[in-house]
Amino acid sequence: AQSVTQLDSQVPVFEEAPVELRCNYSSSVSVYLFWYVQYPNQGLQLLLKYLSGSTLVKGINGFEAEFNKSQTSFHLRKPSVHISDTAEYFCAVRDIQGAQKLVFGQGTRLTINP
Amino acid sequence: KAGVTQTPRYLIKTRGQQVTLSCSPISGHRSVSWYQQTPGQGLQFLFEYFSETQRNKGNFPGRFSGRQFSNSRSEMNVSTLELGDSALYLCASSPVASGTSTFYNEQFFGPGTRLTVL
Repeated sequence: AQSVTQLDSQVPVFEEAPVELRCNYSSSVSVYLFWYVQYPNQGLQLLLKYLSGSTLVKGINGFEAEFNKSQTSFHLRKPSVHISDTAEYFCAVRDIQGAQKLVFGQGTRLTINP
Repeated sequence: KAGVTQTPRYLIKTRGQQVTLSCSPISGHRSVSWYQQTPGQGLQFLFEYFSETQRNKGNFPGRFSGRQFSNSRSEMNVSTLELGDSALYLCASSPVASGTSTFYNEQFFGPGTRLTVL
């Protein structure tokens, strides 16, 4: 079985500061890794994904994440945040071979202060 | 291409009633998955449908059921509603079903239906 732990439930940051949202996962099989963003009253939007290859993946809105197999982590980073980045962020894993289902972390609420 | 659409967007029901939610996938997508999002349990997988057949099921009681039609539209039904069923129900569509391809197929999410049970 897979599990995902997002280490921070809330992260407040000042505008234009860097941010890192942490994610650790546990799985006995190979997985795909994802970060999704959810704005208020909306569904989930894919920010970026790691499937294979380079461990540093770049996504939309200036976000990037690094896959670390030895530490089973997939932390999300952005060098300079904007007010519009205020949202909830979810890390997720999916079994490469098996079910389509995504297993999500509990989410991190990112609040950008002016 | 139009995205995933879910209807209705908001719904209020009382305990003991039943409810049906609808999801229309992106045109050409044949797989539809459902998720429940609550503040306490987070995002949890309910089930996946492909070609009118349930392919995978999460750990939910039998009160939660679904179906898929020949045009790939899907409905989920919750019978005998409980207060704890209050949640945002998200639908996601994908071109193919799980286990049918070694290639990655992205899931696209709809805006969700917010169900409140009083």
